[in-house]
Amino acid sequence: RKEVEQDPGPFNVPEGATVAFNCTYSNSASQSFFWYRQDCRKEPKLLMSVYSSGNEDGRFTAQLNRASQYISLLIRDSKLSDSATYLCVVNSISGGYNKLIFGAGTRLAVHP
Amino acid sequence: NAGVTQTPKFRILKIGQSMTLQCTQDMNHNYMYWYRQDPGMGLKLIYYSVGAGITDKGEVPNGYNVSRSTTEDFPLRLELAAPSQTSVYFCASLQRRKGSGFDEQYFGPGTRLTVT
Repeated sequence: RKEVEQDPGPFNVPEGATVAFNCTYSNSASQSFFWYRQDCRKEPKLLMSVYSSGNEDGRFTAQLNRASQYISLLIRDSKLSDSATYLCVVNSISGGYNKLIFGAGTRLAVHP
Repeated sequence: NAGVTQTPKFRILKIGQSMTLQCTQDMNHNYMYWYRQDPGMGLKLIYYSVGAGITDKGEVPNGYNVSRSTTEDFPLRLELAAPSQTSVYFCASLQRRKGSGFDEQYFGPGTRLTVT
């Protein structure tokens, strides 16, 4: 089982739609969770951290369910500029060191 | 701050050649990472370092070597290039938060490598 698994995508949605991405992680000891955005042929960039109580940043809402080891990202009122790949990221403890593990990503395409 | 810089941006290698991908960060971050990303795939960790003089293998270390003689630099070495190493290579750095948490991971712009 992969340490971080995401919806395979791609998600093709019209402008204005609401879209949700899911992510599950296998390491119950993980304590840091993030969503990164990656545009085509660019480096990943932090979209938002995910906190236990859930958090919102404008049109974006992230939720964490530790019991189910599940993370979600909700995008409301989708814009054309939201088209990108969204990466779920979780920290993992291995060999005494913390590492960040990236999911394979979910591709979003917003069309007019 | 320039953040994380990588050189070169592009490179074509012949099978069996060697090269070093350079990575430098000016944020005084302790943690640095090398990832590879194949077309349409996620990031795979090659090597990482938790501080100068300390490196460890990631998920896909075969065919690569690293060193961390300074906090700023974390070069990745390919000794005998193979077509399977054709990929985009990203270097990243971060600073740990207090406790077990992490701060944001900052990425360089990537090096696109083709081995033919």
